[in-house]
Amino acid sequence: RKEVEQDPGPFNVPEGATVAFNCTYSNSASQSFFWYRQDCRKEPKLLMSVYSSGNEDGRFTAQLNRASQYISLLIRDSKLSDSATYLCVCQTGANNLFFGTGTRLTVIP
Amino acid sequence: NAGVTQTPKFRVLKTGQSMTLLCAQDMNHEYMYWYRQDPGMGLRLIHYSVGEGTTAKGEVPDGYNVSRLKKQNFLLGLESAAPSQTSVYFCASSYSSLGRSSGNTIYFGEGSWLTVV
Repeated sequence: RKEVEQDPGPFNVPEGATVAFNCTYSNSASQSFFWYRQDCRKEPKLLMSVYSSGNEDGRFTAQLNRASQYISLLIRDSKLSDSATYLCVCQTGANNLFFGTGTRLTVIP
Repeated sequence: NAGVTQTPKFRVLKTGQSMTLLCAQDMNHEYMYWYRQDPGMGLRLIHYSVGEGTTAKGEVPDGYNVSRLKKQNFLLGLESAAPSQTSVYFCASSYSSLGRSSGNTIYFGEGSWLTVV
């Protein structure tokens, strides 16, 4: 079983829409959680960390449910520039990040 | 500020050839990592280093060797390339152990596209 599982999509949404991505992780000992964004043929870049209490950064909201081992990312008022692949990431141990395969989002004009 | 720089960006190898990917960071980071990214697999850790002169195996180390002779450089070697090593390779670095702070960020290089034929 993979450490992190995500729906690969693609999600095609119109500009201005709200879209949510979900992710599950298998290791209950996972310590920290993140969402990364990866543009086509580019490197992953940190979008936001995910905290147990939930956290928001502008149009982006991340939530963590440790009991269900579930992480989510909500994007409100989608922009064309949000088109990318979103990677769910769990940290287990001091030096290893486990990456999901990513969920591809395309925002349509 | 260049951040994390990888060379070469693209390379085609024949099966059995050897090559070295070079990663350089100018952020004075202690920790450096090599990942590979394959379709449907996500990024997987090959090897990592927690400081100059030290290296450790990650999730998929077989077929690769690494060296960290200088703090700013982390080399990934393929001694005898195989088609299964066709992938995109990302180097990354972080200031300290990821476990010490959930806010500690890992910075990636732009990637190296390797094809083994």
